Amino acid sequence: EAGVTQSPTHLIKTRGQQATLRCSPISGHTSVYWYQQALGLGLQFLLWYDEGEERNRGNFPPRFSGRQFPNYSSELNVNALELEDSALYLCASIMTGWSYNSPLHFGNGTRLTVT
Amino acid sequence: GNSVTQMEGPVTLSEEAFLTINCTYTATGYPSLFWYVQYPGEGLQLLLKATKADDKGSNKGFEATYRKETTSFHLEKGSVQVSDSAVYFCALSDPAGNQFYFGTGTSLTVIP
Repeated sequence: EAGVTQSPTHLIKTRGQQATLRCSPISGHTSVYWYQQALGLGLQFLLWYDEGEERNRGNFPPRFSGRQFPNYSSELNVNALELEDSALYLCASIMTGWSYNSPLHFGNGTRLTVT
Repeated sequence: GNSVTQMEGPVTLSEEAFLTINCTYTATGYPSLFWYVQYPGEGLQLLLKATKADDKGSNKGFEATYRKETTSFHLEKGSVQVSDSAVYFCALSDPAGNQFYFGTGTSLTVIP
C-alpha cells in the first residue's frame, strides 16, 4: 500500500511569491490534514479537507488556502510569501468518519524556504 | 478543551540507557492516545497507540500505558540505540471534533 506522498520535496521561493504544495492521500482515505512545522516548533494545524470540502482551518491568515480534488488529493497554496513561512509542511490522511482508534498517516513533507 | 503536554527536550542518553519521555493530556471525552516518531528529514510515523484506559501500546521495544487516573501516556524504552535518535510526539485524537492534538515534540539523541 502506497503511503501519503507529497511534492515537491523541497521548494525555494522569494518573498512575495506564491507556493503550491501537493499531497496524495493513502488509497481509500478521503480526509486530508495540513500542518506547518517551523524549525524548532511543534505541529501547527493549518487546514482540514474532507470529501472535497474545507471543514476547518487553524489560526493562519487567509493567504494560506487550499483545495481537495475529486480523487481526494489536495493542494496547499501560500500567497504573498513571507520569510516566516519557511517551514516543513506536512500532509496527513485518514478515512472519513474515522473512529477513535484511527491514526493519522503522514507524508514526508515539503520543505519550503522563503528567501 | 483538549491538549497535550510533553516534557521539553532535548534529551541526550548513552546507548543502552533507559528512556522515559513524559506526556500528560487534557481531554473532554475518551480520546485515543498515540506516540509518533519523526526521523531527520522525514514525516511523522506512528510508533504506538492505546485506545482506552489501562491499555498498553508497544512497538520496537517502546511502551506506553494509558493512565486515566493520572491523565498520562509516558513513553518508555529499556535500552535505547543510536538509531532511536529522533523527535517523539505525543498526540490524542478527538473523533467528535475531527481533530488531533499534538505535543511540542521531544528531541532524543543517543550517543554511542
